[in-house]
Amino acid sequence: EAQVTQNPRYLITVTGKKLTVTCSQNMNHEYMSWYRQDPGLGLRQIYYSMNVEVTDKGDVPEGYKVSRKEKRNFPLILESPSPNQTSLYFCASSAPGSATDTQYFGPGTRLTVL
Amino acid sequence: GESVGLHLPTLSVQEGDNSIINCAYSNSASDYFIWYKQESGKGPQFIIDIRSNMDKRQGQRVTVLLNKTVKHLSLQIAATQPGDSAVYFCAEIRTYKYIFGTGTRLKVLA
Repeated sequence: EAQVTQNPRYLITVTGKKLTVTCSQNMNHEYMSWYRQDPGLGLRQIYYSMNVEVTDKGDVPEGYKVSRKEKRNFPLILESPSPNQTSLYFCASSAPGSATDTQYFGPGTRLTVL
Repeated sequence: GESVGLHLPTLSVQEGDNSIINCAYSNSASDYFIWYKQESGKGPQFIIDIRSNMDKRQGQRVTVLLNKTVKHLSLQIAATQPGDSAVYFCAEIRTYKYIFGTGTRLKVLA
């Protein structure tokens, strides 16, 4: 089954404790992206990656890092989480240039930073 | 900064009626627009897309209209059903950057 998986689905942590949210897709997509979703603000793009070893900032990259060492994986790293990073995070992947380059979204990771 | 916005945060329609959800965008350089549906507790799901060189595109029970003159995008859902209840987002894509609107909640009344 074609899918995007994220782990963990729920996470409660404390300020300053480094964490990683993993994202994996099995569709051989070149493009992957991370978003955060906050009430009243919709989805905002954090980082995206056009392919392995190619990443770029979205609209809200501050406080986040990403890496793309393999095509299928695109982890989101919070080196020193802060309470304002409490949010719902979505990973997505797509194949730009294909007939339907729609993004497929993962189920989301709800992060709470105390 | 530039953003994609929606006219109405909540839209209530009677079951069987047609729904129209609107979206305004501010940058005429966008390549591509997508409508997504998000149900409670789930990630956004693709509904329909339209390229910037098109005015209209139809899918199953859905139609997207693009008016580049006034920078306006709309999603029309025919014969709205209870399963259409969700939050709908428009997204504007510019050189692989996705910019989402804040969303409209569609409530279908029985």
